[in-house]
Amino acid sequence: GQNIDQPTEMTATEGAIVQINCTYQTSGFNGLFWYQQHAGEAPTFLSYNVLDGLEEKGRFSSFLSRSKGYSYLLLKELQMKDSASYLCAVNGGYQKVTFGTGTKLQVIP
Amino acid sequence: DVKVTQSSRYLVKRTGEKVFLECVQDMDHENMFWYRQDPGLGLRLIYFSYDVKMKEKGDIPEGYSVSREKKERFSLILESASTNQTSMYLCASSYSFGDQPQHFGDGTRLSIL
Repeated sequence: GQNIDQPTEMTATEGAIVQINCTYQTSGFNGLFWYQQHAGEAPTFLSYNVLDGLEEKGRFSSFLSRSKGYSYLLLKELQMKDSASYLCAVNGGYQKVTFGTGTKLQVIP
Repeated sequence: DVKVTQSSRYLVKRTGEKVFLECVQDMDHENMFWYRQDPGLGLRLIYFSYDVKMKEKGDIPEGYSVSREKKERFSLILESASTNQTSMYLCASSYSFGDQPQHFGDGTRLSIL
């Protein structure tokens, strides 16, 4: 079976750093995606981790530990436009991707 | 830029009606997917297709069917709509090689009365 856990909601201050965690227990694992979804819009791809470690992409970084079944998305220098839901998704192989329920991030001034 | 277009943004139908949701992508992607998104439940896969005329059941296929007659088009069909199928429906597509991200349409908010 597939089980993916993320916090439901988080609040952070503009300019700060926030870490959104994702833990997973899945029957197959090829890698882990992070998507951003603004209210009423389509999810958009942020990152994909296959190997353990941290991958940095501008203000956003994503970390993976395969042995711990754990990932996080790190957002630095938060901006108001970062208010959105962040979806963690496990690639279980054979084109099968399972999504977590998402973390709704609110950035406040 | 990849474009995934869903035919309707909002749709209201009645219980028992046959409902068609259409999705078209312009990037020659092999894979196409239909999800529904509900509060507290996240994105759940209904069906996906990895080639023309090929389809695979996802996690919640009951009450739905799909059609893929052309590579760029993937249709979701609600055979006899019920109120518990009121939801946001999202279509996505991706390349089949490697571990490629999915590209999503803007969604269809479907209400069944």
